[in-house]
Amino acid sequence: QVQLVQSGAEVKKPGASVKVSCKTSGYTFTSYNINWVRQATGQGLEWMGWMNPNSGQTGYAQRFRGRVSMTANSSLRTAYMELSSLTSEDTAVYYCARDVDGWLNWFDPWGQGTLVTVSS
Amino acid sequence: QSALTQPASVSGSPGQWITISCTGGSSDLGSYNLVSWYQQHPGKAPKLIIYDVNKRPSGVSNRFSGSKSGNTASLTISGLLAEDEASYYCSSHAGSRGIFGGGTKLTVL
Repeated sequence: QVQLVQSGAEVKKPGASVKVSCKTSGYTFTSYNINWVRQATGQGLEWMGWMNPNSGQTGYAQRFRGRVSMTANSSLRTAYMELSSLTSEDTAVYYCARDVDGWLNWFDPWGQGTLVTVSS
Repeated sequence: QSALTQPASVSGSPGQWITISCTGGSSDLGSYNLVSWYQQHPGKAPKLIIYDVNKRPSGVSNRFSGSKSGNTASLTISGLLAEDEASYYCSSHAGSRGIFGGGTKLTVL
């Protein structure tokens, strides 16, 4: 079955960067975009951006442009999201999700989530 | 502020039905039949329950149904079960970006 398995929890200091991985299985990795969504504690879902593993093309939410980078390693079937210049407001659970039709709303399945804590 | 508007909370008794609304604009939800709904239990990842306004993925109960009229989409859950208690999020195509509703907490009384 299709699975997305993310890397473990991270604790970072303000100003640092974090890189979260999303290892996929059960489907052709290069045929579907990967999206990243985050969720602060007790808050709703926030879309961060998408990445096409075949072309490397990306699209980022405006508020993250300049400090987010989404990449992929096709041989490892793994997508990555790196966020830099971290502040306490970046403390959240970060999810990767497969975009089934490429229209930025049909996400299935999701990874289990990666908690990123930013604290001095 | 979320791009799509949902009620913060709804409640219902077991066996009853409830509806959750999701309101967008003419440039997103109103222009496309590309609306999805997600169920999220505490501490868990979101799970797709409706896509393309009213389609259910394999394995999702037919107690869940979706619809859309104008700029508003709706999720209806019939025959409420205790296990339906969760948060529900809508999502719509919006051109070059993804958008979600703020989420609705469903309490089964």
